[in-house]
Amino acid sequence: EVQLQESGPGLVKPSQSLSLTCSVTGYSITSNYWGWIRKFPGNKMEWMGYISYSGSTSYNPSLKSRISITRDTSKNQFFLQLNSVTTEDTATYYCARFLGIVGYWGQGVMVTVSS
Amino acid sequence: DVQMTQSPSYLAASPGESVSISCKASKSISNNLAWYQEKPGKANKLLIHSGSTLQSGTPSRFSGSGSGTDFTLTIRSLESEDFAVYYCQQYNEYPPTFGAGTKLELK
Repeated sequence: EVQLQESGPGLVKPSQSLSLTCSVTGYSITSNYWGWIRKFPGNKMEWMGYISYSGSTSYNPSLKSRISITRDTSKNQFFLQLNSVTTEDTATYYCARFLGIVGYWGQGVMVTVSS
Repeated sequence: DVQMTQSPSYLAASPGESVSISCKASKSISNNLAWYQEKPGKANKLLIHSGSTLQSGTPSRFSGSGSGTDFTLTIRSLESEDFAVYYCQQYNEYPPTFGAGTKLELK
């Protein structure tokens, strides 16, 4: 069974970088596509981007200058880095197995941006 | 981006009843629409894709319909486990976009 688990700090200061890890079990990240989605307070959800089985990436244009998704295939993990965060980046962040349709989701990690 | 308008945002019903949730796209998305269920403490679950195709494991009381811009998720004979938040999502155009969610609560 495919399982995804997010981890990372729950509090980040404005202007700093948000860094999250997604640990995947039951499936190799060298197959398929793996991405990040976030849900803002009030339930609006935003697709952020993905990394493919080959390591290529695609990002939401609204985030393109601030976002980076990378991976460590030896640990079957992929990562999100979001730079120059503001309070508007406060959200629950989900990692997912993704190809248009989101087949599998992590449970999500809440990240608050506050000084 | 394609805007997805989901309604109602809140729905109260009793077990055994049937309910429908609407999702409207700001432009045609063919049948490239998925429905997800969100429950506290659990990973979101893909229920339906391609507008009407049930994902493996989705109970048959769930059904999806529509194409183009108008879509509907129907749940017949509600069971206690169905009370949750439901989201639609289009994947016809990049970037994929989501509806704002419908919270289905016990009346």
